[in-house]
Amino acid sequence: KAGVTQTPRYLIKTRGQQVTLSCSPISGHRSVSWYQQTPGQGLQFLFEYFSETQRNKGNFPGRFSGRQFSNSRSEMNVSTLELGDSALYLCASSPPSSYNEQFFGPGTRLTVL
Amino acid sequence: ELKVEQNPLFLSMQEGKNYTIYCNYSTTSDRLYWYRQDPGKSLESLFVLLSNGAVKQEGRLMASLDTKARLSTLHITAAVHDLSATYFCAVDEVGGATNKLIFGTGTLLAVQP
Repeated sequence: KAGVTQTPRYLIKTRGQQVTLSCSPISGHRSVSWYQQTPGQGLQFLFEYFSETQRNKGNFPGRFSGRQFSNSRSEMNVSTLELGDSALYLCASSPPSSYNEQFFGPGTRLTVL
Repeated sequence: ELKVEQNPLFLSMQEGKNYTIYCNYSTTSDRLYWYRQDPGKSLESLFVLLSNGAVKQEGRLMASLDTKARLSTLHITAAVHDLSATYFCAVDEVGGATNKLIFGTGTLLAVQP
């Protein structure tokens, strides 16, 4: 079974630009969550989508947004990039079960210059 | 607000020694997860602990959960160099309604020959 895939793997942008990251979950998984990982703040929850609906959102500014499509693929968008947005962005998918184990993709390394 | 604390933050061990990583969390939850992250890589799921007293073992790693004490431990037996990585514990904040993991700070484990 193929794992979670994320594209692109690496991205370099400049301040003020916007970026879109993509995540394809494991087949059959309908929940997709996004996390930001930085050396200073660690792993932080961004948001979670289930059946095209945002179910939960972390404490991030409105510049961070996301969506999920009918095939469960998800995208996250960051507008007006800041230097502090440089991070590893991880996507995770969960199977429809009672214990919500999350399986992580390889991540997208975003560098903002 | 749920907080998850891990200690130690850094652990340097000699091969063959035993040690324990501790994970404390601040509010009631009966779902705790352990992940491993190698440098520059994504998160690999190690253990899912779903109830008080749960104990799981895989190779040289054993994880346990005490929900009353809000404590989980990851015990390493007879460490080998291949176990060198960063280990994270994570707690499911909402208890299953949505997939929102709150991560600990991580423990960087370095096993020296």
